[in-house]
Amino acid sequence: DAKTTQPPSMDCAEGRAANLPCNHSTISGNEYVYWYRQIHSQGPQYIIHGLKNNETNEMASLIITEDRKSSTLILPHATLRDTAVYYCIGQTSYDKVIFGPGTSLSVIP
Amino acid sequence: EAGVVQSPRYKIIEKKQPVAFWCNPISGHNTLYWYLQNLGQGPELLIRYENEEAVDDSQLPKDRFSAERLKGVDSTLKIQPAELGDSAVYLCASSLARGREETQYFGPGTRLLVL
Repeated sequence: DAKTTQPPSMDCAEGRAANLPCNHSTISGNEYVYWYRQIHSQGPQYIIHGLKNNETNEMASLIITEDRKSSTLILPHATLRDTAVYYCIGQTSYDKVIFGPGTSLSVIP
Repeated sequence: EAGVVQSPRYKIIEKKQPVAFWCNPISGHNTLYWYLQNLGQGPELLIRYENEEAVDDSQLPKDRFSAERLKGVDSTLKIQPAELGDSAVYLCASSLARGREETQYFGPGTRLLVL
């Protein structure tokens, strides 16, 4: 069960890229890195996940270091609606899922 | 496609009363999770079901909490009796494992206030 470490808060100017880091030095070789976000008063929402390679979808890009000990979630053009708490977790289909407190991202006009 | 449905959305009860939360997962998802989320913290797993079987209930306070997932679809989480410290958001999530990948889809949660 990977324990992840994220900064408690970050600010980003609207329209700029938001780069959210996550350390997961204890991640095992078969654990995926998942990112979710939670907008106030809603349930967490899936963003993206990856194992070794960098991934991109319509919401974000995920950059995983070669040693898999850390990753960065990139929101290429942050909008006010991206203000949320972002969670990075390590997970496989048979392991316990552990959410930390996440990073509270504030997108500033 | 309909998402995870939870009801009620809000519940206010007095301490020592019972309360129940209901979750309908996404159709076809065999795994169902119940989480508890306190203000300012990440979700904490209470129980995880694979179909009808509770495969991880190590964090469920069994003296007052119980859960069931009949027929491997809908699930109910119950607290009896409720305590002041149970005030929190209760989240339900479902997933369909594809190999080792398992993306969770969360419902909106039930916000419980115990007075």
